[in-house]
Amino acid sequence: KAGVTQTPRYLIKTRGQQVTLSCSPISGHRSVSWYQQTPGQGLQFLFEYFSETQRNKGNFPGRFSGRQFSNSRSEMNVSTLELGDSALYLCASSFTGTGISEAFFGQGTRLTVV
Amino acid sequence: QKEVEQNSGPLSVPEGAIASLNCTYSDRGSQSFFWYRQYSGKSPELIMFIYSNGDKEDGRFTAQLNKASQYVSLLIRDSQPSDSATYLCAGGTNAGKSTFGDGTTLTVKP
Repeated sequence: KAGVTQTPRYLIKTRGQQVTLSCSPISGHRSVSWYQQTPGQGLQFLFEYFSETQRNKGNFPGRFSGRQFSNSRSEMNVSTLELGDSALYLCASSFTGTGISEAFFGQGTRLTVV
Repeated sequence: QKEVEQNSGPLSVPEGAIASLNCTYSDRGSQSFFWYRQYSGKSPELIMFIYSNGDKEDGRFTAQLNKASQYVSLLIRDSQPSDSATYLCAGGTNAGKSTFGDGTTLTVKP
């Protein structure tokens, strides 16, 4: 069974640009969550999608948005990039998205904003 | 106050010892709890989950949950150098939200 696939693995962008990251969950999983991980802030929850609907949202500005497609693949978009957006972005998929359904992480996308 | 707090660490134990990692949570809506291990430069890997009060054992790992005290712990018996990593505690609600602690870095010295 294939794991969670995130693309691209590495990305370098300039301040002010926008970026789109992609996440393909494990087959059959309907919930996709996105996290930002930085050395100073740990793993911060961005949002969670379940059956194409955003079900949970963390405390990030509106520049961070996402969506989920009918095949459960998800994309995350960051507009007007800032230097502070440099981080490892992780997505995690789970079967039902309930608290009892364990989540599995992709390898992450390392975003560097210069 | 963070929703999930972990003992700050870093934690260092000798090979063969028991490593004890602790976590407290504030959201009483959290129904299940997860321990992830993250090696440097890698993504988190699920080790164990627990949702009932008491202990849950899996090999050298034991997770403990006390909902009344809002406390979760992970014990690693016979610690090995390969256990050296950052351990993340997460609480999950039935609404699909998972909140992570900042992690505790464990070093097992040969």
